[in-house]
Parts: sequence; C-alpha cells; structure tokens
Amino acid sequence: GAVVSQHPSWVICKSGTSVKIECRSLDFQATTMFWYRQFPKQSLMLMATSNEGSKATYEQGVEKDKFLINHASLTLSTLTVTSAHPEDSSFYICSAARDEQETQYFGPGTRLLVL
Amino acid sequence: KQEVTQIPAALSVPEGENLVLNCSFTDSAIYNLQWFRQDPGKGLTSLLLIQSSQREQTSGRLNASLDKSSGRSTLYIAASQPGDSATYLCAVRADSSYKLIFGSGTRLLVRP
Repeated sequence: GAVVSQHPSWVICKSGTSVKIECRSLDFQATTMFWYRQFPKQSLMLMATSNEGSKATYEQGVEKDKFLINHASLTLSTLTVTSAHPEDSSFYICSAARDEQETQYFGPGTRLLVL
Repeated sequence: KQEVTQIPAALSVPEGENLVLNCSFTDSAIYNLQWFRQDPGKGLTSLLLIQSSQREQTSGRLNASLDKSSGRSTLYIAASQPGDSATYLCAVRADSSYKLIFGSGTRLLVRP
C-alpha cells in the first residue's frame, strides 16, 4: 500500500518560534497533499490543499501567512507554523494522493505543543 | 454545505458484542464514503470505502452500508474485541469536490 510519513511525530516549542512539519510519500508520487488539524476529541478539519509546484489553497478561516505550506517535490510537502502560540497546539495530520481525485493516504500525525 | 454527524459519540461494550456505529450526512450528492480507525495519538487507518454506486462493503468482521437517499451509513462490527477499541471516523467526499468532510467520530471501548 501507499505509505505516508510525517516528521517530527511530536514537537514542543516556545511561544513565538516557528515549527516546520514534513510530510513525505514514501513509495508513490503525490501530486496533491492535504493538511488537517485535529483538536482533542474533535474531528479532522482540512486546513489547506497543496499541489506540487503551485501555491496551496487554504480553507476559509485558515491564515496563509501563519501556516506556510510548501510542496516543492512530488514526495514532500512541509507545513510551517510561524510565530506559534499556545492556541496552535494541536495534532496536525497530512495526507497524500497521486492526484486530487484519487484516494488520500494519511500520515501518522504530528503533535505540536506550544508553551 | 455538507455536514457529517456520528452517533453515538462514545460507546462502551463488553467483549463479544456485535455493534453498530452510525454516520449521517446532509447532502446526498456524494462520490464516496469512507470509514477510518484512529488510535489515540495516531493517524488514520482506512477500514472501508464505499463508492456512491455501492450499498455495502465488507472486510473481515467489519461491514459498512450506505444509503445515499437517506444520507446514512452504518459500520457493523461483529464479535467485538478489546483490540477494536479506538475512535471510528466516517468521511464523505462530495461529487463536486475532492475534499473529505469528516464526522466527529465515535470513541469505542470494548471491555474484556
């Protein structure tokens, strides 16, 4: 099956710092990657969709200047949380698809705690 | 706007029971519906995917049904085991979009 990894699996940082999360498709080329956010005991909310080589499309209410997404290759997308604050603490999950019409394969998630 | 609801929010059953998890969606124009399992602090594992033209899918002790016209899907788990304890999420993909809309999940505890 298709495997998606995320790094790091968890991160603790101080308020005001920036944190980068990587999402990699290990055994397939992902034209499209999706970034989700999940608060405790809540469901996944789509933050943005990134297509390789183009700008990400952000969902309503998601600040594009705060959550920087780069999808520079067919196997790697990164999400950078800039100037993180405690309210950004959450579980961030990515998914990858061969193209946006295809099945999404999910990564294991990254837990971010901002102190 | 598509909304996905899962009932119950939490469920505790003794080992061996058969159980049903429910998922409802407001817009019947869906492309497919997918059931996922999520263990605490982990990512999602896809369990079953039902295309809009299908009525059900089966995998081992799991059976998922889909009734598009009524906006409902059920996940049936037979002979539940403690290892089935997890959060079960359903997600709908609309006809007109590639996006997945998730329900809030059902937290299942199977007691030994």
